Amino acid sequence: QVQLVQSGAEVKRPGASVKLSCMASGYTFSNYGVAWVRQAPGQGLEWLGWISVFNGNTHYGPKVQGRVSMTTDTSTGTAYMELRSLRSDDTAVYYCARDSPGIAVTRFDYWGQGTLVTVSS
Amino acid sequence: DIQMTQSPSSLSASVGDRVTITCQASQDITTDLNWYQQKPGKAPKLLMYDASTLATGVPSRFSGSGSGTDFSLTISSVQPEDFATYYCQQYDNLPRTFGQGTKLEIK
Repeated sequence: QVQLVQSGAEVKRPGASVKLSCMASGYTFSNYGVAWVRQAPGQGLEWLGWISVFNGNTHYGPKVQGRVSMTTDTSTGTAYMELRSLRSDDTAVYYCARDSPGIAVTRFDYWGQGTLVTVSS
Repeated sequence: DIQMTQSPSSLSASVGDRVTITCQASQDITTDLNWYQQKPGKAPKLLMYDASTLATGVPSRFSGSGSGTDFSLTISSVQPEDFATYYCQQYDNLPRTFGQGTKLEIK
């Protein structure tokens, strides 16, 4: 069955970086994209970006553009998201989700369990 | 960015009720709309895509409609497991944007 398993909770200081992982199984990793979505405590969902596993193309959301990098490792079926220059308002649960292989259509049909990132001095 | 506005923000219903949640886009998104359900402490779950197509395994009591700027999600007979928060999401333009959510609570 399709599974996305994310790395564990992180606590970071303002200005630091965090790199989250999302290990996929149960499907052909390179046939899909991976999206990242976050949810601040008690808030709604925010799209952070998308990466094509096939060719590495990326699109990033405006609030993290310039601070985020999304990558994949097809040998291990793992997607990564690195967020730099962390601020307190980056505190959130970060989700990875299986997405369409191309950017024209978005469909998050499987999700990871989420990773809590806390940014605090 | 395309703004997605859901109404109501919260809704109380009894088991067996018919409920409708609406989602309005700030510009025409044709039918490039998904609906997700999220329960507390859990990841969202895809309910509907292309505005009106049920995702795999989703009960037929859920239905979606709309095109252009106005969309709706209807639950024909609310079941106990349906009490959750619902989000719409557009994929017509980048960045992808979500509605603020509608919390369905037990009356």
